[in-house]
Amino acid sequence: IAGITQAPTSQILAAGRRMTLRCTQDMRHNAMYWYRQDLGLGLRLIHYSNTAGTTGKGEVPDGYSVSRANTDDFPLTLASAVPSQTSVYFCASSDPGLGDTDTQYFGPGTRLTVL
Amino acid sequence: GQNIDQPTEMTATEGAIVQINCTYQTSGFNGLFWYQQHAGEAPTFLSYNVLDGLEEKGRFSSFLSRSKGYSYLLLKELQMKDSASYLCACMDSNYQLIWGAGTKLIIKP
Repeated sequence: IAGITQAPTSQILAAGRRMTLRCTQDMRHNAMYWYRQDLGLGLRLIHYSNTAGTTGKGEVPDGYSVSRANTDDFPLTLASAVPSQTSVYFCASSDPGLGDTDTQYFGPGTRLTVL
Repeated sequence: GQNIDQPTEMTATEGAIVQINCTYQTSGFNGLFWYQQHAGEAPTFLSYNVLDGLEEKGRFSSFLSRSKGYSYLLLKELQMKDSASYLCACMDSNYQLIWGAGTKLIIKP
C-alpha cells in the first residue's frame, strides 16, 4: 500500500452500536488526525496524535476515542453511536520533521450513517 | 474565536481565470494551506503560504497577506476537471489546522 487507507469505505450503523473506523498509513509519519466533514461546515478535528503512544482532543472529541499503539495505525472508536455522528470521516497524517510545511495527507474517507 | 471565511460557491468558464478568496482570524498563525476536494473524494494538497506574497505552481497560484488576514487561490486556464471544492485552512499557534467550509467551483463550457 502507499499512503493512507481507511476501512470501511462506508457503513450503516444502528444507534447505540459500537463502531471502530480503521486508519493505516505507510509513510512513517509521526502525526495522525481524525476529522469529520459535514455539509456546509469545514473539516472539524476530532482527535489527533503527534507521535505513537500519545493522543489529544480536537474540536469535537465527545463520543469518540482513539488509540495510537504504533506509528502506522490510528483507529477511531464510537462507543455508542448516535445519529448526530452521521458524517464522512477522514484520517490524515503529517510529519513536521520533513520540513516546515507540516502538510497533511488524507485517506479516502469513511461514510458513516447512524440510524 | 477562530474563523475562516470563503465564498460558498463560484462559477467560471472553461479557459478563464478565477480567484477564490479566503479571510481568516486565528489565534496565532503558522501558515495557510489550500486543498482541492473533488466530490466524494479526499482533500488533496495544493499550496502552502507562510510569508507574504505569491506562490506559483503551474496553473495555480496562492497569495497571502498576513497583515490583512487574507489569501486567495488563483486558477488560470480553467479546465473542466478543476470543478471541485477548494478548502482554505490556517495553522494556528498550536499547529492545528482550522478549516473553512470550502468554495464549490463550477466550471461551465
